[in-house]
Amino acid sequence: RKEVEQDPGPFNVPEGATVAFNCTYSNSASQSFFWYRQDCRKEPKLLMSVYSSGNEDGRFTAQLNRASQYISLLIRDSKLSDSATYLCVVTLYTGNQFYFGTGTSLTVIP
Amino acid sequence: DTEVTQTPKHLVMGMTNKKSLKCEQHMGHRAMYWYKQKAKKPPELMFVYSYEKLSINESVPSRFSPECPNSSLLNLHLHALQPEDSALYLCASSQGIAGAISGANVLTFGAGSRLTVL
Repeated sequence: RKEVEQDPGPFNVPEGATVAFNCTYSNSASQSFFWYRQDCRKEPKLLMSVYSSGNEDGRFTAQLNRASQYISLLIRDSKLSDSATYLCVVTLYTGNQFYFGTGTSLTVIP
Repeated sequence: DTEVTQTPKHLVMGMTNKKSLKCEQHMGHRAMYWYKQKAKKPPELMFVYSYEKLSINESVPSRFSPECPNSSLLNLHLHALQPEDSALYLCASSQGIAGAISGANVLTFGAGSRLTVL
């Protein structure tokens, strides 16, 4: 069983739509959680860390559900520039083992 | 500008060549990583150095040889590669702190070295 599972999509949504991605993890000892964004032929870049209480950054909201072992990312009012692959990343207590989901492809359509 | 610098950005090599990829970070991070990424796939971990010592080798073929000369530098030596080794090679670093508060131990990537093996 994979450490981190994501729906690969693709998600094709119109501008202004709200879209949500989910990611499940298998190890209950997972310590830290992140969403990364990767543009085509570029490196992954941190979008946001995910905190136990949930956190918001502008149009982006991340939530963690430890009981069900999943994290989510909500994007409101989608922009064309949000088109990218979104990677769910989970770490263990050791601090240097980062587990990646397969990534979810998002295309925002005019 | 990325805080992890990788060189070269592009590399084309033959199967008999020997080349090296280089990575540098000045964030004081104590863990450094090599990842390999193929198109439409997530990054795949190759090696982890923690406090300049190799801590994880994900059963990578010996034609890839990592080296960590000091806490800021990470190299990947390449020899006798195969065409299927063509990929984006990403270097990353993190604080490498065990038990870090959620969100404190972030993985920062370099821009990558795009390798083509002929």
